[in-house]
Amino acid sequence: DAGVIQSPRHEVTEMGQEVTLRCKPISGHNSLFWYRQTMMRGLELLIYFNNNVPIDDSGMPEDRFSAKMPNASFSTLKIQPSEPRDSAVYFCASSLPPGYVHPNRNQPQHFGDGTRLSIL
Amino acid sequence: GENVEQHPSTLSVQEGDSAVIKCTYSDSASNYFPWYKQELGKGPQLIIDIRSNVGEKKDQRIAVTLNKTAKHFSLHITETQPEDSAVYFCAAPRGGSARQLTFGSGTQLTVLP
Repeated sequence: DAGVIQSPRHEVTEMGQEVTLRCKPISGHNSLFWYRQTMMRGLELLIYFNNNVPIDDSGMPEDRFSAKMPNASFSTLKIQPSEPRDSAVYFCASSLPPGYVHPNRNQPQHFGDGTRLSIL
Repeated sequence: GENVEQHPSTLSVQEGDSAVIKCTYSDSASNYFPWYKQELGKGPQLIIDIRSNVGEKKDQRIAVTLNKTAKHFSLHITETQPEDSAVYFCAAPRGGSARQLTFGSGTQLTVLP
């Protein structure tokens, strides 16, 4: 089975440029999460979608960051304009819907292999 | 919100020995506790998880224990092998059964041959 697919795997660009990261979740998963990983701050949740709707974007650092999920099989994270402090590894994860019997039951999150972003 | 603390930050063990990593959480309503393994250049991979209605779960050489009273949970790896070397992360929901997870700071495990 195909896992979460992220592209590109690596991105190097100059500050001020627009950066777009892409994610294809696992088919059938209705929740999608964008994370950022740095040495200083560890693994941080940026935004969480459920059924293509943003539910929690409290982790988005500032207005330069935006995320969309136009359909169940695709999401983007955009940074415009990019800055050197945005350099990090960005992960996308997806999970199944909660069970019908236990609607509040957490489901495992499955991660992609990330995009390593370097802003010069 | 949930606060997750993970210890130790680095751990070295001899091949064949056991490794234990501990995490504490702050929200007594949290009910789901996954553990992830991250290898270099890869995304975190779920290796085991436990829900609050059980105290222990095993999967071959890996086990997780949960102490709800003390609000801590631990990952146990027995008969360690060099391929177990990686960074391990614990996580807990941001309150109760929230879908959002708060991750620990990670443990770099090195298994020495």
